[in-house]
Amino acid sequence: ETGVTQSPTHLIKTRGQQVTLRCSSQSGHNTVSWYQQALGQGPQFIFQYYREEENGRGNFPPRFSGLQFPNYSSELNVNALELDDSALYLCASSISGAFTDTQYFGPGTRLTVL
Amino acid sequence: QQQVKQSPQSLIVQKGGISIINCAYENTAFDYFPWYQQFPGKGPALLIAIRPDVSEKKEGRFTISFNKSAKQFSLHIMDSQPGDSATYFCAAINYGQNFVFGPGTRLSVLP
Repeated sequence: ETGVTQSPTHLIKTRGQQVTLRCSSQSGHNTVSWYQQALGQGPQFIFQYYREEENGRGNFPPRFSGLQFPNYSSELNVNALELDDSALYLCASSISGAFTDTQYFGPGTRLTVL
Repeated sequence: QQQVKQSPQSLIVQKGGISIINCAYENTAFDYFPWYQQFPGKGPALLIAIRPDVSEKKEGRFTISFNKSAKQFSLHIMDSQPGDSATYFCAAINYGQNFVFGPGTRLSVLP
């Protein structure tokens, strides 16, 4: 059974650019959630996708957008990057759209905005 | 109101000792409370979780105590081991709305 994978591992961008992060969910899971984890902080919920539809969203601006594909993999897009967007971006997959389902996290993508 | 407070920020315990981490929340709409363990370079992994209709849940060396009236819950790690050294996050979930993590506790268990 393949776990949650994320790509790329590390990424460096400059302010104002756009970035796309990718996540492959665990086999049998149809739900993907995205989190932002600043250094030394807890993860902050960005949004969740369940069967290709947004299923919940945290307090993030519209320049954070997402997509889920028919194979349940997902992308996180961030437009107009700001310095404060520098963080570890975590993806988690779960077996259904219930928020109480166990979430299995990937190792994250470290984004640095210069 | 969506915040979850966690203490202490860091904790040092001797091998075999008990590690205790506390969390508090304000929003009474939260109705599911998981704890996660995170090692450096890894994503968080679920340890144990509790619903507010239960006052205590135990799984192996890990126990959650839940006080609904005080809106507080805690994680107890019995017989702490060096391999338990990690960052621990409490979290609170509002069904279908949001998933809020605490700021984390860095635990170091000395051999």
